[in-house]
Amino acid sequence: EPEVTQTPSHQVTQMGQEVILRCVPISNHLYFYWYRQILGQKVEFLVSFYNNEISEKSEIFDDQFSVERPDGSNFTLKIRSTKLEDSAMYFCASTSWGQNTGELFFGEGSRLTVL
Amino acid sequence: GDSVTQMEGPVTLSEEAFLTINCTYTATGYPSLFWYVQYPGEGLQLLLKATKADDKGSNKGFEATYRKETTSFHLEKGSVQVSDSAVYFCALRGPKAAGNKLTFGGGTRVLVKP
Repeated sequence: EPEVTQTPSHQVTQMGQEVILRCVPISNHLYFYWYRQILGQKVEFLVSFYNNEISEKSEIFDDQFSVERPDGSNFTLKIRSTKLEDSAMYFCASTSWGQNTGELFFGEGSRLTVL
Repeated sequence: GDSVTQMEGPVTLSEEAFLTINCTYTATGYPSLFWYVQYPGEGLQLLLKATKADDKGSNKGFEATYRKETTSFHLEKGSVQVSDSAVYFCALRGPKAAGNKLTFGGGTRVLVKP
């Protein structure tokens, strides 16, 4: 069964370092998302991406964040200069065109720890 | 803005016990409502959904009814199994949500003991 895959599963980094989280969405999907969950808090929407551009972003998604689909299969989230408060589980999700049912397919998550 | 509130866990139960996880929402218009589940070591998976008032979503013995009058979508299962141990997330998609954006609750961890 097709699935969304994310790497790394866990990354530890120093404050101020750049981090790239990678996702491989399901191959025929066209909408892509990043969500995050700070420990003990809600799963929060960060950004949605369609047709090679951001379609919506939350107030969390400031200039330190960027997304890219560099090669038609990967979908990356970059944090330019990490802060302690960026420590969270980051989830990638995808869905297919026309499937406006709300069913997003999620990856297992990448845990980011900023020291 | 849209928001989802669900009961905090952890919820610890014995096998075959009845499970209820409360979920209430705030949204304009008529959102679609969802329950997602995250089993240990896995990503979030859609468990069930309801797209209009009084709809009942069901899957794997779980049920939830879309109650517009109480803005609720409580998850229930009559007899839980150890394999139901997971984190359960209530979520909504507003009627004008661009590109399937979901708003989640905080998640409820459920632990079922043999």
